[in-house]
Amino acid sequence: DGGITQSPKYLFRKEGQNVTLSCEQNLNHDAMYWYRQDPGQGLRLIYYSQIVNDFQKGDIAEGYSVSREKKESFPLTVTSAQKNPTAFYLCASNDRGTYTFGSGTRLTVV
Amino acid sequence: GDSVTQMEGPVTLSEEAFLTINCTYTATGYPSLFWYVQYPGEGLQLLLKATKADDKGSNKGFEATYRKETTSFHLEKGSVQVSDSAVYFCALSDPWSQGGSEKLVFGKGTKLTVNP
Repeated sequence: DGGITQSPKYLFRKEGQNVTLSCEQNLNHDAMYWYRQDPGQGLRLIYYSQIVNDFQKGDIAEGYSVSREKKESFPLTVTSAQKNPTAFYLCASNDRGTYTFGSGTRLTVV
Repeated sequence: GDSVTQMEGPVTLSEEAFLTINCTYTATGYPSLFWYVQYPGEGLQLLLKATKADDKGSNKGFEATYRKETTSFHLEKGSVQVSDSAVYFCALSDPWSQGGSEKLVFGKGTKLTVNP
């Protein structure tokens, strides 16, 4: 079945460490997105990519980085510059207005 | 910029009660409107959508009508079930004002709890 796979489901890291969240899709979608979810704040866009080797900052890109070397993969790195990284992270892809979301990664920084 | 405002809740109902979750939007172009549902610990699933004014989206007993005159897309269900307990997000996509991208703009979500 086609879909988006995010891994791991739960991730714990020490403060000051970089961490990379994986997002893989087999839907052949060109566009991919990373959202951050905090309680009571809905989902906010971190980065998005409309095509391989190209990506754009979203509303809250500071402290994050991405790459898009392959159509299937859009990894997100949470750097030590992100001041409050503990959150639920959702990856999505889109084809002509039809979005598919992954099941998310819950990152906890201790 | 584009924005979505929805009833924040939480909303608690008894089984078989009528549900309304209000959603209004601000957009400069011609947005498509969506309702997504999120069950605990999971990602988002599309519940329904509407792409132009007066369209009605419907799925699993839920309905929402795209009202351009009131810039609204309220979610309704005539008789809720315990299994409907989840967080509901209203969202829009407005490529006209987003440089051709189809990124979603979300409301803050409404948590619904349905008691037996």
